Amino acid sequence: AQTVTQSQPEMSVQEAETVTLSCTYDTSENNYYLFWYKQPPSRQMILVIRQEAYKQQNATENRFSVNFQKAAKSFSLKISDSQLGDTAMYFCAFEGVTGGGNKLTFGTGTQLKVEL
Amino acid sequence: KAGVTQTPRYLIKTRGQQVTLSCSPISGHRSVSWYQQTPGQGLQFLFEYFSETQRNKGNFPGRFSGRQFSNSRSEMNVSTLELGDSALYLCASSLGAANTGELFFGEGSRLTVL
Repeated sequence: AQTVTQSQPEMSVQEAETVTLSCTYDTSENNYYLFWYKQPPSRQMILVIRQEAYKQQNATENRFSVNFQKAAKSFSLKISDSQLGDTAMYFCAFEGVTGGGNKLTFGTGTQLKVEL
Repeated sequence: KAGVTQTPRYLIKTRGQQVTLSCSPISGHRSVSWYQQTPGQGLQFLFEYFSETQRNKGNFPGRFSGRQFSNSRSEMNVSTLELGDSALYLCASSLGAANTGELFFGEGSRLTVL
């Protein structure tokens, strides 16, 4: 079974600064997907960024980028130029390729607060 | 394009009752997944349906069940409600043929069991 660990329950950052959220995972699979989802106070989860394990290049989406270390099973999210609208709960998630279908394993989340 | 729609948004039930939650996926999406979110257990996968067939199932008791209709709309049912079933139930849809993992979530149904 896969596990996803987010060791930072809460973090805060000043507007316009950079923050990094940590995530580690454990799996015996070699091919899989990793995700960061954002859940703002309105509760609708939104995909922030996605990484395919067989791709060595780190994924980037505008101000969001990841540091994917496959050997270390680490998948951190960097938010640059933080904005007030980035305030949300951030979940790291894992999905294995074997078995088919959509079945995500989520971490416990990091509550990020962006402050003025 | 309309997003994932979940109904009802809020509901209160008493122990022993049963509840049915509904999820309408994004048009064209054939996979619907359900997740339970609680402060203590976080987000836990319940089940996934694709083309009216359950494709994946999480580790929940048989009181939790679901189904998917030919128009891809899905329902989940919880029978004999327990206090611990109080949670936010999230539905997510995707195109579904392969597990790309790109899920689109609804706003959830908040269930309170008294």
